[in-house]
Amino acid sequence: QLVLTQSPSASASLGASVNLTCTLKTGHSTYAIAWHQQQPEKGPRYLMRLDSDGRHIKGDGIPDRFSGSSSGAERYLTISSLQSEDEADYYCQTWGSGVVVFGGGTKLTVL
Amino acid sequence: EGQLVESGGNLVQPGGSLKLSCEASGFSFGGSAMHWVRKASGKGLEWIGRIRSKGNNYATEYAASVKGRFSISREDSRNTAYLQMNSLKIEDTAVYYCSRSVAGQFDYWGRGTQVTVSP
Repeated sequence: QLVLTQSPSASASLGASVNLTCTLKTGHSTYAIAWHQQQPEKGPRYLMRLDSDGRHIKGDGIPDRFSGSSSGAERYLTISSLQSEDEADYYCQTWGSGVVVFGGGTKLTVL
Repeated sequence: EGQLVESGGNLVQPGGSLKLSCEASGFSFGGSAMHWVRKASGKGLEWIGRIRSKGNNYATEYAASVKGRFSISREDSRNTAYLQMNSLKIEDTAVYYCSRSVAGQFDYWGRGTQVTVSP
């Protein structure tokens, strides 16, 4: 069964960097994921696809401040030079065997 | 760049039905798999289901929570996907989004349409 685990919340200061983590369930450590951002009162926005080897393909217009990396079953989203508009919910997503799964989301607060 | 616009959300009583539409532009709709995802207040994103392209026989898959009550269809000539929702429950109250997937990941999202199920 595909399961993605995310911490419910994270916080970092304006101008700093933050790492958000998405963990794949044991047995699915080779799966690719995608990261999505959802700002308040808006639809989700695709950030990037992230493969198990760390290769990532960003969506159109996604700033260089957003990057991804992988280690084993963990997938990371790093946001550098945090800006106020980065305050949002961040979801990871994966797929396989005819189903799609989202992580529970991480609410990022920019202090 | 691709755009998706959902419509059809409304207030409906428990046990009722509602049909949502998702109109696409800016990409090859006919060759794309289309999904529906919802977000209830205070909760995360929940995948509802998918319809594949004509080349994949318009195959559909659904989440267990909606299987047998919801169905997804598409009209490629109108660049539109639909979500038919029957036997609605209070817990189906959410903002409903459509999205396109390419090689698995969702790359275009709509702004969503509100569905409220209440007596």
